Amino acid sequence: DAGVIQSPRHEVTEMGQEVTLRCKPISGHDYLFWYRQTMMRGLELLIYFNNNVPIDDSGMPEDRFSAKMPNASFSTLKIQPSEPRDSAVYFCASSLLARTDTQYFGPGTRLTVL
Amino acid sequence: SQQGEEDPQALSIQEGENATMNCSYKTSINNLQWYRQNSGRGLVHLILIRSNEREKHSGRLRVTLDTSKKSSSLLITASRAADTASYFCAPNPQGGSEKLVFGKGTKLTVNP
Repeated sequence: DAGVIQSPRHEVTEMGQEVTLRCKPISGHDYLFWYRQTMMRGLELLIYFNNNVPIDDSGMPEDRFSAKMPNASFSTLKIQPSEPRDSAVYFCASSLLARTDTQYFGPGTRLTVL
Repeated sequence: SQQGEEDPQALSIQEGENATMNCSYKTSINNLQWYRQNSGRGLVHLILIRSNEREKHSGRLRVTLDTSKKSSSLLITASRAADTASYFCAPNPQGGSEKLVFGKGTKLTVNP
C-alpha cells in the first residue's frame, strides 16, 4: 500500500486566495483525520470523519475552513479566504479503528500564505 | 479529550547513550501510543501499550506504563543519530471520544 497520500506537498499563496488541500487515505481505513501543526500550537486536530461522515469538527478554527469527504478514498480541506496565520503544515491521517488503533500519517502539506 | 504531556521538552545525548522520555496524563486510559516525527515528515507510530500491560519492547524501544501514576516512559537504548526526532505520546482515554490528542512532544537530538 502506498500509505496516506497528500497533495500538494508545498503550497505558497497570497492572502485572500482559496487553498485546497487533498488527501487519499489508506484503502479500507474507515477514519480520516486532518491536523494542523505549528511551532506555537503544536499538532492540532481540526476534524475527523468516520465512513465519510464528519464526526467532530470542533477543532476547525473558523468558518473559513471547510472539509469534505465525498467518498472513501478522497478528502479535501479548503481555506477560503486564506490568511497569513493559516501558514502551517497540514497533515492527513487515517486509521482502521479510531479509538484504539494506530493512525497513519501522510507526509503533510506545507502551506505558506503571504 | 485528553492530552499527554511529554517531558522533557528537549533532550540532547551522544550516540550510543540511552534516551528516556516521559509522558503524563490525567484520566484512565484504554491504551497509550507513542509516535515519532522526523523533521519535515508526518508522525510514525512506534508502539501501543494497553492499560493492562506494564512493559512492552520493540527492538531498541522499551515502553513502560504505570496506570497508578498515570505516566508512561519511552526508553531508546543505544541511540543512533537517526533517532533524532520529536517523540509524542497519545493516551487513549476510557469513555472518551474517538480521537487522539497529541502533546507538544520531546525533541530528541542524538549527536554523532
